[in-house]
Amino acid sequence: DVKVTQSSRYLVKRTGEKVFLECVQDMDHENMFWYRQDPGLGLRLIYFSYDVKMKEKGDIPEGYSVSREKKERFSLILESASTNQTSMYLCASSNRGSGNTIYFGEGSWLTVV
Amino acid sequence: QKEVEQDPGPLSVPEGAIVSLNCTYSNSAFQYFMWYRQYSRKGPELLMYTYSSGNKEDGRFTAQVDKSSKYISLFIRDSQPSDSATYLCAPGTNFNKFYFGSGTKLNVKP
Repeated sequence: DVKVTQSSRYLVKRTGEKVFLECVQDMDHENMFWYRQDPGLGLRLIYFSYDVKMKEKGDIPEGYSVSREKKERFSLILESASTNQTSMYLCASSNRGSGNTIYFGEGSWLTVV
Repeated sequence: QKEVEQDPGPLSVPEGAIVSLNCTYSNSAFQYFMWYRQYSRKGPELLMYTYSSGNKEDGRFTAQVDKSSKYISLFIRDSQPSDSATYLCAPGTNFNKFYFGSGTKLNVKP
């Protein structure tokens, strides 16, 4: 089974803190993604990476950065957390190529106070 | 116009009912279609995958794609309380980009 593991399920951080969300996949997938999910807004793509050290902005990259130093690991960084970044964050991975599906982690619930 | 439109619900049905969940999309480039099920406070899990038009059946679940009208459906027969979740449709292209509906929340009452 494909496994996408998000290390932190629930976090509470203070405004202005730097926050790291870690994600590891065990299927040797080339592509990795970070989404946030908010009620009424659905899934919104923050960043994705199609290879080690490569990254592309998604639809809402402002306030976020990412790091992919190893193929299996993709980190999301909130440089200075703000209350409007309170959300559920989902990491996902997929193989490169047509017809491939995307697999999600369990999600990280971040509350910024 | 959104790439994928999905009625958010909530949809409430009695146990044993047939459920129909639907999405419309605008992009003719979508080649394959997925349905995800998401339980509360969990990540989405892949439920069904279909390629091009037609039907695909898996147990109590049937996915249907009509590319001519850009309409995709998921049918659940003999619905169970354990089917209570949010269902997201997700068309895909051949370029590793994924699009998601906003999800329909389903509640199956015992």
